[in-house]
Amino acid sequence: DSGVTQTPKHLITATGQRVTLRCSPRSGDLSVYWYQQSLDQGLQFLIQYYNGEERAKGNILERFSAQQFPDLHSELNLSSLELGDSALYFCASTLGAISYNEQFFGPGTRLTVL
Amino acid sequence: DAKTTQPPSMDCAEGRAANLPCNHSTISGNEYVYWYRQIHSQGPQYIIHGLKNNETNEMASLIITEDRKSSTLILPHATLRDTAVYYCIGLSGSARQLTFGSGTQLTVLP
Repeated sequence: DSGVTQTPKHLITATGQRVTLRCSPRSGDLSVYWYQQSLDQGLQFLIQYYNGEERAKGNILERFSAQQFPDLHSELNLSSLELGDSALYFCASTLGAISYNEQFFGPGTRLTVL
Repeated sequence: DAKTTQPPSMDCAEGRAANLPCNHSTISGNEYVYWYRQIHSQGPQYIIHGLKNNETNEMASLIITEDRKSSTLILPHATLRDTAVYYCIGLSGSARQLTFGSGTQLTVLP
């Protein structure tokens, strides 16, 4: 158990819909990272937040957005969903803003878009 | 971050050492070599990292060549639970995100 929690575990929705994925980092960690793992693209970094502020952006689509709240949990919002958005979404956390410390990953949310 | 190259798959007999190679010939002086693994759709798990010197922890050993162009992750006594995809990642100290390649699918055989 990494100490990172993600909800829900599974999500099934239809094209065009909007969903919110939630992540709670390990106690004391200030940084949250979001990753997407699809069959054709592998594990890809989406975005990082540190203590409430966006710190780094990867291949995140404009239809996706994220935020980190004062209690440090983070939410990833996916809108106008397409079939290709079906994937595993992981969040990870670290103590600091720079990732040379190991990242602790949550169990993931499996999103299926029908 | 350095581009890394790993074999797509390897087998290892249970109880034997698993040696997973990684080529990172473009690695720069301030980039660390990190290893993570992912067991069947679970969240990736950190294993070990190093800069120049060989490293060992309770999970594995990391051997980095003197020119730092390649490294080997060693699982000394592989078990069936070590079956996973192993990722070798080059990461600078200022980087924020992990860039995962295709990794090596290690299958430990009974």
